[in-house]
Amino acid sequence: GAVVSQHPSWVICKSGTSVKIECRSLDFQATTMFWYRQFPKQSLMLMATSNEGSKATYEQGVEKDKFLINHASLTLSTLTVTSAHPEDSSFYICSARGFFSRGPPTDTQYFGPGTRLTVL
Amino acid sequence: QKEVEQDPGPLSVPEGAIVSLNCTYSNSAFQYFMWYRQYSRKGPELLMYTYSSGNKEDGRFTAQVDKSSKYISLFIRDSQPSDSATYLCAMRGFGAGNMLTFGGGTRLMVKP
Repeated sequence: GAVVSQHPSWVICKSGTSVKIECRSLDFQATTMFWYRQFPKQSLMLMATSNEGSKATYEQGVEKDKFLINHASLTLSTLTVTSAHPEDSSFYICSARGFFSRGPPTDTQYFGPGTRLTVL
Repeated sequence: QKEVEQDPGPLSVPEGAIVSLNCTYSNSAFQYFMWYRQYSRKGPELLMYTYSSGNKEDGRFTAQVDKSSKYISLFIRDSQPSDSATYLCAMRGFGAGNMLTFGGGTRLMVKP
């Protein structure tokens, strides 16, 4: 249980285009989803937190107009990188937090496999 | 000073060795402690979680929490080359709104 998927796993796009990344919780309802960014050999950097049906909360320094987050349902959140530039090239990882009747404590985050974005 | 400190490594050990990975933290409000394993170009995978102080064992993995010292450890017995990955500690306080705070990760290499 507690599987999170991301799509696509790898995307290459031209500078100036927009890219949408989907994050889905496959077997549980995710009340909260998180979007992280990770540069090579560095740890996770939290970009934003989204609760289903609410506007996302962005971390300091993250441009909300550039990284659009939608969390329309308890199983789906999307991150859209608008007008992508080469400096946006990175590994984007989502995680989902839900409530489980047994197993890990509530609020444990489960991560998706990540999406590698390359902007040419 | 970061809230959670973790030696980045890399830590290189021979196959079969016992590995000790550690994190220290400064926030006494942290109650839940987790270890994630991340292979290159993959998302982190939850390995272990513990609540408050004590030990927890799962197969070759043992997690220890010493809240009095603000120190947590992950031990890997009989390490295998497939254990080569980056290990991230993470922790949070009690309550639904508390966010996970991650360590920077330790890169482990197990050589055959």
